[in-house]
Amino acid sequence: DTGVSQNPRHKITKRGQNVTFRCDPISEHNRLYWYRQTLGQGPEFLTYFQNEAQLEKSRLLSDRFSAERPKGSFSTLEIQRTEQGDSAMYLCASSPGQGHEQYFGPGTRLTVT
Amino acid sequence: AQSVTQPDIHITVSEGASLELRCNYSYGATPYLFWYVQSPGQGLQLLLKYFSGDTLVQGIKGFEAEFKRSQSSFNLRKPSVHWSDAAEYFCAVGAQFFGNEKLTFGTGTRLTIIP
Repeated sequence: DTGVSQNPRHKITKRGQNVTFRCDPISEHNRLYWYRQTLGQGPEFLTYFQNEAQLEKSRLLSDRFSAERPKGSFSTLEIQRTEQGDSAMYLCASSPGQGHEQYFGPGTRLTVT
Repeated sequence: AQSVTQPDIHITVSEGASLELRCNYSYGATPYLFWYVQSPGQGLQLLLKYFSGDTLVQGIKGFEAEFKRSQSSFNLRKPSVHWSDAAEYFCAVGAQFFGNEKLTFGTGTRLTIIP
């Protein structure tokens, strides 16, 4: 399968713990995007990368959130000191460049208890 | 700022009937427009996209959409729905210039198919 992959698919954590998610984009896609989707809502943009450069961050991305794409390939999204409001589906997408559609992964569902 | 409105939260149609899902967008220039479909617990699959040119675009699974600039709309249509079309449908708008490539999604329309 050469699509976008995300790991883990599900994560249950206790409030206050740190969690890290991984996204592997489609090979040779230089754009990588993170979105968050809560129940009954559409995905909301969090941040995106062109290669290893983080080009835009949403105001939704508080200082507890950090994203990296160190070698321009896979990306990680870390949430520190998780809160119950962080419970959501975290979606990753990749694109070959500006003016192209985004291809989404299956998502990581986070539950904070 | 760009925005998308999907006025119908939930639509129920009979199998074999036609379908139209509404989408209105707000954007200051010519947008990129998309329709994605999401099955329960899954990621998003692209149905079709509009970047420029012909305002009637064809997508996968027999779907089509029409871009109407005067109405700021990009409605999704299918002439005859199948039970497998039951899912959540999202309309999205994207910007056309470098450095602002995020997609802004609507809240989605849940489609139920009855036999």
